[in-house]
Amino acid sequence: IQMTQSPSSLSAFVGDRVTIACRASPSVSNFLNWYQQKPGKAPNLLIYAASNLQSGVPSRFNGSGSGTDFTLTISSLQPEDLATYYCQQTYSVLGTFGQGTRLEIK
Amino acid sequence: EVQLVQSGAEVKKPGESLKISCKASGYSFSTYWIGWVRQMPGKGLEWMGIIHPGDSDIRYSPSSEGQVTISADKSISTAYLQWNSLKASDSALYYCARRGRYNYGDLSYYGLDVWGHGTTVTVSS
Repeated sequence: IQMTQSPSSLSAFVGDRVTIACRASPSVSNFLNWYQQKPGKAPNLLIYAASNLQSGVPSRFNGSGSGTDFTLTISSLQPEDLATYYCQQTYSVLGTFGQGTRLEIK
Repeated sequence: EVQLVQSGAEVKKPGESLKISCKASGYSFSTYWIGWVRQMPGKGLEWMGIIHPGDSDIRYSPSSEGQVTISADKSISTAYLQWNSLKASDSALYYCARRGRYNYGDLSYYGLDVWGHGTTVTVSS
């Protein structure tokens, strides 16, 4: 299963609404996770099953989609959201990761 | 506190062997899969493989099959990633991560919910 994220990088202002897309080929139903990796740190699970917020994750993060098209939205960008974001399909045990989206703060 | 503590950074020469570790605490080690994920400098996340310590079921990624060995010792709640003959291209940051399970509706979903801090492996002559 191939996972493709877009864009590969983006830059936004604090307070902006930010959207990152992830496309699966073929369909993965809702077996889709999102991770955040801050610079120099291990990844952190944000969302599982496409739209469920992991415990402790701020509510400004939202996941949506099913089948082949998924979206991670940050409703109001904060300085601490500087990171690379990865989607991952979990349709198979070794679920493929997307190539990542680097988010910069203007 | 649930945590995974990885062994320290390693510097090795091509052809040498290496075994890095990931010690789990705060949960039942035998109940959860533990995976190994590679991150080359400036690049994304790639699976190496995953092991279920309870029954030693192991799955390797196609690119890792035959190149590394994944194992676990339940008696000390530790998972391992091992190379018999390192190459320069093995230089990377290696993370272990627990595969957590979430029940939602009638289905079970999985996510890498606990991560180690990473072990940097440098292979250079």
